[in-house]
Amino acid sequence: SQQGEEDPQALSIQEGENATMNCSYKTSINNLQWYRQNSGRGLVHLILIRSNEREKHSGRLRVTLDTSKKSSSLLITASRAADTASYFCATSLGGATNKLIFGTGTLLAVQP
Amino acid sequence: DTAVSQTPKYLVTQMGNDKSIKCEQNLGHDTMYWYKQDSKKFLKIMFSYNNKELIINETVPNRFSPKSPDKAHLNLHINSLELGDSAVYFCASSQAYMNTEAFFGQGTRLTVV
Repeated sequence: SQQGEEDPQALSIQEGENATMNCSYKTSINNLQWYRQNSGRGLVHLILIRSNEREKHSGRLRVTLDTSKKSSSLLITASRAADTASYFCATSLGGATNKLIFGTGTLLAVQP
Repeated sequence: DTAVSQTPKYLVTQMGNDKSIKCEQNLGHDTMYWYKQDSKKFLKIMFSYNNKELIINETVPNRFSPKSPDKAHLNLHINSLELGDSAVYFCASSQAYMNTEAFFGQGTRLTVV
């Protein structure tokens, strides 16, 4: 069954504001990843956080992971219109296949 | 150079037809995948291949047959297409055992009419 649930399903903010998206999952993981999908395009990897990490930064992105609550959040600071996209969390159980199980996604709209 | 490329980008076909989607990666990865994204944007893994061997088949109908001639290619053949097969299909690759990111192709939008 589906591993990740994301919240909110849609988010509309103004340029310059921060955007926070949350992801919950059901089983133990090796790592959790966040991807962005622009309309009509493929998925682009943003950031990976391992199960033994609690927080990670990459540019304007900040990801947290709480394995006790089986949840993660993605914060985009100082958003730009170009950040408009769908954002997906994906969990990996590790191993040979490195299979990713995706959440339902959050559609972010950043108004100029 | 495109890391993961899949063709065609768009595919419109009639019910009952057979079609193929091709995927190639130039990243030297061991593992390749097919994902299906439905109209609600939900992404579900279909198949995973590791060094040309099938590792995961997520209860996909046997009308779908993946073929991996070498570890850089993973093609998807679909027989007897049905309306419900309409979706966007994504190919992806990653390095096995590394537990790192996956690289995705641009997707193939399949429309069955």
